[in-house]
Amino acid sequence: GEDVEQSLFLSVREGDSSVINCTYTDSSSTYLYWYKQEPGAGLQLLTYIFSNMDMKQDQRLTVLLNKKDKHLSLRIADTQTGDSAIYFCAERKSGGSYIPTFGRGTSLIVHP
Amino acid sequence: EAGVVQSPRYKIIEKKQPVAFWCNPISGHNTLYWYRQNLGQGPELLIRYENEEAVDDSQLPKDRFSAERLKGVDSTLKIQPAELGDSAVYLCASSHRETEAFFGQGTRLTVV
Repeated sequence: GEDVEQSLFLSVREGDSSVINCTYTDSSSTYLYWYKQEPGAGLQLLTYIFSNMDMKQDQRLTVLLNKKDKHLSLRIADTQTGDSAIYFCAERKSGGSYIPTFGRGTSLIVHP
Repeated sequence: EAGVVQSPRYKIIEKKQPVAFWCNPISGHNTLYWYRQNLGQGPELLIRYENEEAVDDSQLPKDRFSAERLKGVDSTLKIQPAELGDSAVYLCASSHRETEAFFGQGTRLTVV
């Protein structure tokens, strides 16, 4: 199976909260990341969390990390149409070198 | 500050033809990555450079793909000859501190 797994689609109404989930395999991953990719664009780093943290909040974004279950989530509060994009979870595997390993991405669709 | 710059943005070629992509990383970033992103998939690492040295190229199909990073700054990725299955978006990224990578907008290659 893949190293990083995500559900493929999420549809929410504008103004609601979105929660995008991710599971990873390497329990010794040191950093976990969330990237956003808009159509025709590259990947934009949204936020990252160090593995010794449980939660990180940055404006409308909240990242939760459950190391025991190797589960990462991204919560977007007050979701806007501009948040429609593909969201990728990525892990930095143990071993020192920084090589982001990506899941297939979750396509977030925000409708009025 | 300019981000990672890639060119061309789009390229359409016939199979068996050669093609080259160019990447200019963020100034001062010593690590450069080339990723390939197939439709509906997450990016997959092809090669990583530390300055001018390729330190991780295990996923690069060396029979037809080559890359170089002369002087440890700009990089080119070449495919010769291209096959239909090479159609994808080729993403370049760079990093300095080992916590985040910045991505270019990518080159969308279509092989017909």
